[in-house]
Amino acid sequence: GAVVSQHPSRVICKSGTSVKIECRSLDFQATTMFWYRQFPKQSLMLMATSNEGSKATYEQGVEKDKFLINHASLTLSTLTVTSAHPEDSSFYICSATKGAIKQSPYNEQFFGPGTRLTVL
Amino acid sequence: AQSVTQLDSHVSVSEGTPVLLRCNYSSSYSPSLFWYVQHPNKGLQLLLKYTSAATLVKGINGFEAEFKKSETSFHLTKPSAHMSDAAEYFCVVSDSSRGAQKLVFGQGTRLTINP
Repeated sequence: GAVVSQHPSRVICKSGTSVKIECRSLDFQATTMFWYRQFPKQSLMLMATSNEGSKATYEQGVEKDKFLINHASLTLSTLTVTSAHPEDSSFYICSATKGAIKQSPYNEQFFGPGTRLTVL
Repeated sequence: AQSVTQLDSHVSVSEGTPVLLRCNYSSSYSPSLFWYVQHPNKGLQLLLKYTSAATLVKGINGFEAEFKKSETSFHLTKPSAHMSDAAEYFCVVSDSSRGAQKLVFGQGTRLTINP
């Protein structure tokens, strides 16, 4: 199998606080993990790519100081939304690949169930 | 840059009837295309993928898709819908200009199955 979990599934926080979301690969080692954001009735947008033991690569327009990503082990990546504001409310989804990133062929990404963040 | 457009935000069919979810792509390269399904409270699941081999791709749960370069389409079909097929479906292209792993998602099509 290739199961990815996320915790928490839902979180509500006050504006100005920080929130940490965990992404775990339960039955495989994930060299690479991805973080996506999904607004209501919109598609998933890639935020960043993280490799175990190295700094994350952020997509254009994503503030790296606001969305802190740590991929400290082969089974865990965390996304911390710092000083959250209502506009950060969204559905955050992670995915993981079993091996290292390859140019080709496509290395299947296994997705977590997502975390719904609501900032009041 | 690669992109995909899902032509219907919502499709409703009766159980036992065919399903057609439409997707058009735009790509400067030979694309890799995918269909993912998202059930409530579950992670996205890969239904099928096209990576420049056979143009008719068969996936899980009886779904298939045909890559048509002349029409820049990659529509998803299933001969007979089941209630369990109700979910959100995403057409996805791999942005090969940024490495095969970057996925660009369409906006999704919600499939409703009527009893």
